[in-house]
Formats: sequence, C-alpha cells, structure tokens
Amino acid sequence: ETGVTQSPTHLIKTRGQQVTLRCSSQSGHNTVSWYQQALGQGPQFIFQYYREEENGRGNFPPRFSGLQFPNYSSELNVNALELDDSALYLCASSPTGEETQYFGPGTRLLVL
Amino acid sequence: EDQVTQSPEALRLQEGESSSLNCSYTVSGLRGLFWYRQDPGKGPEFLFTLYSAGEEKEKERLKATLTKKESFLHITAPKPEDSATYLCAVQARGNQFYFGTGTSLTVIP
Repeated sequence: ETGVTQSPTHLIKTRGQQVTLRCSSQSGHNTVSWYQQALGQGPQFIFQYYREEENGRGNFPPRFSGLQFPNYSSELNVNALELDDSALYLCASSPTGEETQYFGPGTRLLVL
Repeated sequence: EDQVTQSPEALRLQEGESSSLNCSYTVSGLRGLFWYRQDPGKGPEFLFTLYSAGEEKEKERLKATLTKKESFLHITAPKPEDSATYLCAVQARGNQFYFGTGTSLTVIP
C-alpha cells in the first residue's frame, strides 16, 4: 500500500473532449509525477511537480498540463483528446529528499 | 539519446529455476536506477533504488546490482507468485525519467 490514490479508476471520453484526472498522495510527499502507459509498453514520463511548480517535463505536447495543490493532491489535464491518448495514466509521489517514486493504481482512459 | 533497454522481453521459468533480468541504459547524469514490479492492470510496485556502480540491494528472492552501463535483477528459486512484469527506470539530469518496456516473467509450478 503506497498511500497514493487516483480517481476515477476508469473513464471513457470522445475525441476532442477534455479530461481531468486526479491524484492524492501522502502527507510529506512534495513531489508528484505523471506517466502515460500504453498497453504492453513501459510508462512514459509526462511531467513532475515539486511544491506546486513544474519541475521537469517529458516529450508531451502542451495540451497535457498539470496542477499540484498544497494538500498533496494533483491533477493531470488533457485537452483536445486524441485516440492515441487511450492509456493507463499513473501518478507517482516521492517523499521529501528521496528520489524513489511510489505509484498509484492508475486511471484507465479510453478515447473513442 | 537517453534510453533504457530491458531484456529479455519475456521469460518463462520453472519454479525454483534461478535467472537474471537485464536493464542496460544510456543517460546523461544518472541520478538513480529503479526496479519495479507490475501486475496486470495495476500500478508499478517499488522494489529497489540503486545510485552508484557496485551497489547491491536484496529483498527476499530478489537481488539488484548496478554497473556503469547496466543493472541486473537476479531471481533466486522463483515461485509462481513472482510472475509479473519487471520494469527498470532511470532518473537522468534535469528530472527526466525513462522506463524500459519491461520483462514479462512467468514462473511455472
């Protein structure tokens, strides 16, 4: 049990729509990262937030954006959904001073 | 170009048959190498963090080692419950994270 929760567990959207995914991590975990995992692939790094500021970003377009809140929760927003955005979206948090990331169970997004 | 490559893609072992999984990497400024276990439809479960060449970590039947170019996850006398996908990840300079595509391990009773 990592103490990282994500909601919703599953979601179906239509191409062109917008989606917000949510993550809640443990107290003291000031760093949160988001990943996209396509079926049969390893997770792909989207971005990382530290104390509410973006702290690193992978090779994803600007329509992928995020927010981190003081209460250890965060959001991943995706605009103008495309069919290829269908994937498992994972949130991972790190305790202050540690590099190790602890993952939540993920949100399965299907774009039709 | 920063990248992580895992081999083999899939591995089938008899219960009790020891083996090793490989993770080779090329990254600028390695800050850490991580091993995770992932069961189908679930988030990755943390196993080990390694920071420098020569470092080793052990947990039950698993042992992770690190060199300057690769890491190995050794599985000793595996059991069916060790069946899962094992993922390797590295953290590079600039807070960039790279995962391999994983090794799917099946342990047959």
